[in-house]
Amino acid sequence: DTGVSQDPRHKITKRGQNVTFRCDPISEHNRLYWYRQTLGQGPEFLTYFQNEAQLEKSRLLSDRFSAERPKGSFSTLEIQRTEQGDSAMYLCASSGGSGWYNEQFFGPGTRLTVL
Amino acid sequence: AQSVTQPDIHITVSEGASLELRCNYSYGATPYLFWYVQSPGQGLQLLLKYFSGDTLVQGIKGFEAEFKRSQSSFNLRKPSVHWSDAAEYFCVVYNNNDMRFGAGTRLTVKP
Repeated sequence: DTGVSQDPRHKITKRGQNVTFRCDPISEHNRLYWYRQTLGQGPEFLTYFQNEAQLEKSRLLSDRFSAERPKGSFSTLEIQRTEQGDSAMYLCASSGGSGWYNEQFFGPGTRLTVL
Repeated sequence: AQSVTQPDIHITVSEGASLELRCNYSYGATPYLFWYVQSPGQGLQLLLKYFSGDTLVQGIKGFEAEFKRSQSSFNLRKPSVHWSDAAEYFCVVYNNNDMRFGAGTRLTVKP
């Protein structure tokens, strides 16, 4: 299967702990996106990368959140000092080309629960 | 403020019946428009998209959508629904580095 993969699929943590999620995009895709989806809502854009460059960050991405894509392949999203409000599904997507019009292929998501 | 609205939170249709899911947006210019579907246990999948040209767009799985500039709408339609179409449907709008998903419409299909 050459789709987008995310690890872990589920993460339960205590408030105040740090967590890190990983996303492996489709190999030839140079764009990678992170979204957050809470129950009953549509995904909210967090940030995206064009190759290794982080080109846009939503105001939703507070200073406790950081994302990297060091070699233009996989990406990590870290949340420091987690809060209960961070509980959500974190989705990763990738696309080819350099425009927003291209189809984004989504991974299965990482469900985060902060106790 | 820019926004995308899906007025129907939940719709139930009988298998074989027609379907229309509504989407309205509020943007200054014509944005890129998409419909994505999220099936239980599956990742989001693109059904169709529109940027310019013919305002009636054909997508996968027998879906189509019509862009109406005067109504700022991009409604999704299917002439005959199958049980496998039960899912959450999201209208998505992109303009000027701002990509927004609607809250979604959950479709239930009755046998």
